[in-house]
Amino acid sequence: EIVLTQSPGTLSLSPGERATLSCRASQSVSSSSLAWYQQKPGQAPRLLIYGASSRATGIPDRFSGSGSGTDFTLTISRLEPEDFALYYCMHYGSSPNSFGQGTKLEIK
Amino acid sequence: QVQLQESGPGLVKPSETLSLTCAVSGYSISSGYYWGWVRQPPGKGLEWIGSVHHSGSTYYNPSLKSRGTISLDTSKNQFSLKLSSVTAADTAVYYCASQIIAAIGTDYWGQGTLVTVSS
Repeated sequence: EIVLTQSPGTLSLSPGERATLSCRASQSVSSSSLAWYQQKPGQAPRLLIYGASSRATGIPDRFSGSGSGTDFTLTISRLEPEDFALYYCMHYGSSPNSFGQGTKLEIK
Repeated sequence: QVQLQESGPGLVKPSETLSLTCAVSGYSISSGYYWGWVRQPPGKGLEWIGSVHHSGSTYYNPSLKSRGTISLDTSKNQFSLKLSSVTAADTAVYYCASQIIAAIGTDYWGQGTLVTVSS
C-alpha cells in the first residue's frame, strides 16, 4: 500500500499570496495516478488535478500540479478567498487507492 | 449529467452490518468505469474503502480486514456497500464516487451520508 504524507499540516496565507502544498509517497507513483482534491465543510471533495498535472474540468488556471516519482506539488498562484479549504492528494489506479492526511489552507 | 445519491440507515448498532446504496443517474454503470466508496470520520481525513469495476471485479482497502463487500445492481443502475461487524470507529460520512475519468477530466461524487454506529 502506498502511504501519502502531506505537508504542511496547516498553511496560513493571505489572499493574493502563492500557496505550495506538498505530497510525498512512500514509494514511486506513476504520474498518471496522482490527484488533488479540495474539500470545504459539509461538501464532497472536488477534483482539482489528475494525472499529477492535468486540471480537471472547470478548474481555474491558478491551480497547477507538478511532480513525479515520490514528490508532488499543488500550487495555487494567487489565492482567492474561496480557495481557503482542505486539500488532499490521492493515489489511484492500482489498488488500494490512498489519500494523504490533508493540508488545511487557512486565512492568515 | 451524471448524478450519484447515497441512501441507507443513518444509525447502525455495534456488531451489525452497515448497508448503503448508491443510485446513479445519467450514465449506465454497466457501460464502464469503476464505482467506489470513500468515507470520512467526523473531523478526520478521507479513507478509500473500495471499488467495483463495471465487469464486477472488486477491490478493497486491506485495512477493512475483509469486512467490506461492494456489488453492482445493473438492473437498478446502482451499487452497494456492506460493512460487517461495525464498531464506533466505522462512524463516518460515506461517499459514493466514480473513478476519475481522464477523457473528460472529471469524476462524480454523491453528497455523502452520515452513518453513526451506536447502541
